[in-house]
Amino acid sequence: KAGVTQTPRYLIKTRGQQVTLSCSPISGHRSVSWYQQTPGQGLQFLFEYFSETQRNKGNFPGRFSGRQFSNSRSEMNVSTLELGDSALYLCASSLSPFRGLNTEAFFGQGTRLTVV
Amino acid sequence: DQQVKQNSPSLSVQEGRISILNCDYTNSMFDYFLWYKKYPAEGPTFLISISSIKDKNEDGRFTVFLNKSAKHLSLHIVPSQPGDSAVYFCAAVVNNDMRFGAGTRLTVKP
Repeated sequence: KAGVTQTPRYLIKTRGQQVTLSCSPISGHRSVSWYQQTPGQGLQFLFEYFSETQRNKGNFPGRFSGRQFSNSRSEMNVSTLELGDSALYLCASSLSPFRGLNTEAFFGQGTRLTVV
Repeated sequence: DQQVKQNSPSLSVQEGRISILNCDYTNSMFDYFLWYKKYPAEGPTFLISISSIKDKNEDGRFTVFLNKSAKHLSLHIVPSQPGDSAVYFCAAVVNNDMRFGAGTRLTVKP
């Protein structure tokens, strides 16, 4: 069973540009969450999608957006990139957003975004 | 709003000894707690969890303790092995939303 796949693995962009990151969840999983990891800040929750609907959103500016397709694949978009957006962006998939002790999220390897 | 806090960014332990990773939280409504382990260039992987109605959960070398009155969670690894060297994230769930701490980098020295 394939794991969570994130593409690309590495990305370098310049300030002001926009970027789109992709996440393919584990087959059968319908919930996809996005996190930003920066040193000292841990994993900051961006948003979660379930059945093509955004179910929850973290405290990030509107430059950060996402969507989910009918096959559960998800994309996140960051517009007008800033230097502070440099981070590891992680995607996690789970069967559903209704979390219990045995429905933990499975993470992808992440996309390392560097903004110069 | 950092609801889950891991105040120690790093911890170094000798192989064979106990590793204790700590986590504090502010929201008494959290339903349960999890620990994830992350190796470089990999995504976090689930390690162990505990319900808010329990005070201890054990899985092999890993034990998680929950002290609700102190709003404190700890992960014990006994005995520690070099392969345990990784970043450990504490996470808490309320209303199906999962929040993570900043992580603690554990180094187990041979």
